[in-house]
Amino acid sequence: AQKVTQAQTEISVVEKEDVTLDCVYETRDTTYYLFWYKQPPSGELVFLIRRNSFDEQNEISGRYSWNFQKSTSSFNFTITASQVVDSAVYFCALSSHSSASKIIFGSGTRLSIRP
Amino acid sequence: NAGVMQNPRHLVRRRGQEARLRCSPMKGHSHVYWYRQLPEEGLKFMVYLQKENIIDESGMPKERFSAEFPKEGPSILRIQQVVRGDSAAYFCASSPVSGVNTEAFFGQGTRLTVV
Repeated sequence: AQKVTQAQTEISVVEKEDVTLDCVYETRDTTYYLFWYKQPPSGELVFLIRRNSFDEQNEISGRYSWNFQKSTSSFNFTITASQVVDSAVYFCALSSHSSASKIIFGSGTRLSIRP
Repeated sequence: NAGVMQNPRHLVRRRGQEARLRCSPMKGHSHVYWYRQLPEEGLKFMVYLQKENIIDESGMPKERFSAEFPKEGPSILRIQQVVRGDSAAYFCASSPVSGVNTEAFFGQGTRLTVV
């Protein structure tokens, strides 16, 4: 069975703090893809990153960074020096080679950045 | 190069009416996926279509829901005899080849409210 768990339902931090959103996944496939999406209050889904299971290198994009650890089946997302505009619901997601038509989403983490 | 276009953005229907949601994939994309997001939840896969074919409908409710992707025109998600529980955001994604592993681009969603 494939599953994505985002244990943090809501996080609230003060602006400029760093914040890490946790994501743990389950899959029996050896080839799979992991995603993070952002859903701001306006409701659209914004693609942030896609990482395949063969690439465990961490990635940094501006204030965003991702830590992929196969050993713990985790794909955590860190925002450095958070800003109010980062307030949104963030979804971690998984797609496997064996079921390429589906993306399995976690339940999301609602992040609130207080000024 | 327009992204995935969904319309309408908001749709209000009375119980028992029909709802038709449209999705025009990105140019050059022949694969379409529909997802449903219930309030305060993550997205759940519904159906995967190629032109004129339903490839995977394992996430579709057995009754009242249908989807098509004709040779010409947008993909349509049709909900007959809507009930309050159908109120949700419906997202469409498209990809150029089979599988969301390549890259799946999401539309802005259609928010259906059943009154």
